[in-house]
Amino acid sequence: DAGVIQSPRHEVTEMGQEVTLRCKPISGHNSLFWYRQTMMRGLELLIYFNNNVPIDDSGMPEDRFSAKMPNASFSTLKIQPSEPRDSAVYFCASSRQGIASGGYTFGSGTRLTVV
Amino acid sequence: GDSVTQMEGPVTLSEEAFLTINCTYTATGYPSLFWYVQYPGEGLQLLLKATKADDKGSNKGFEATYRKETTSFHLEKGSVQVSDSAVYFCALSSTSGNTPLVFGKGTRLSVIA
Repeated sequence: DAGVIQSPRHEVTEMGQEVTLRCKPISGHNSLFWYRQTMMRGLELLIYFNNNVPIDDSGMPEDRFSAKMPNASFSTLKIQPSEPRDSAVYFCASSRQGIASGGYTFGSGTRLTVV
Repeated sequence: GDSVTQMEGPVTLSEEAFLTINCTYTATGYPSLFWYVQYPGEGLQLLLKATKADDKGSNKGFEATYRKETTSFHLEKGSVQVSDSAVYFCALSSTSGNTPLVFGKGTRLSVIA
């Protein structure tokens, strides 16, 4: 089991550019979560999916952020246009037992720096 | 709504010292409780859990007991090592079953040799 796979591990981009973060959940897991972590705000839940359907995106900070899950094995988080305040570590997590299960498996994260 | 409150960090201990990280919660019903650990440069990992009152979760020498009467789930370890340096998150799972885990803000632990 390769775990939750996120790419890229590090991304440096210029303000105004589009950024796409990718996540491959564990096979058989039916819930997927996107989190953002910063020193100031801590860990924030951005959006989550159940069976590929977005359930709650109220944590997405602005319309510049969007997420998709076209199939059970892939999800993307897109920021367009990016801003320096979007700099953070973005984590994807998946769960086999549903949204409320404690068995979340996190990826290693994507460290995004917007200059 | 449901919430989790953890002691503020950072916590700095010498190797072999006793560790306690306090966690209290507010929730309706009887949620499941969890501790996650985040090592430097990594994502969160489930450390231990307890699903009902008086249950004790344990893993890697860490323990936490689900105390309904005090709505607490304090993390303890009898003798910490440098390798335990990490950020520890307390979390709860709502009894409704249809909302994500609620995480505390995390407590950073530094163990010095």
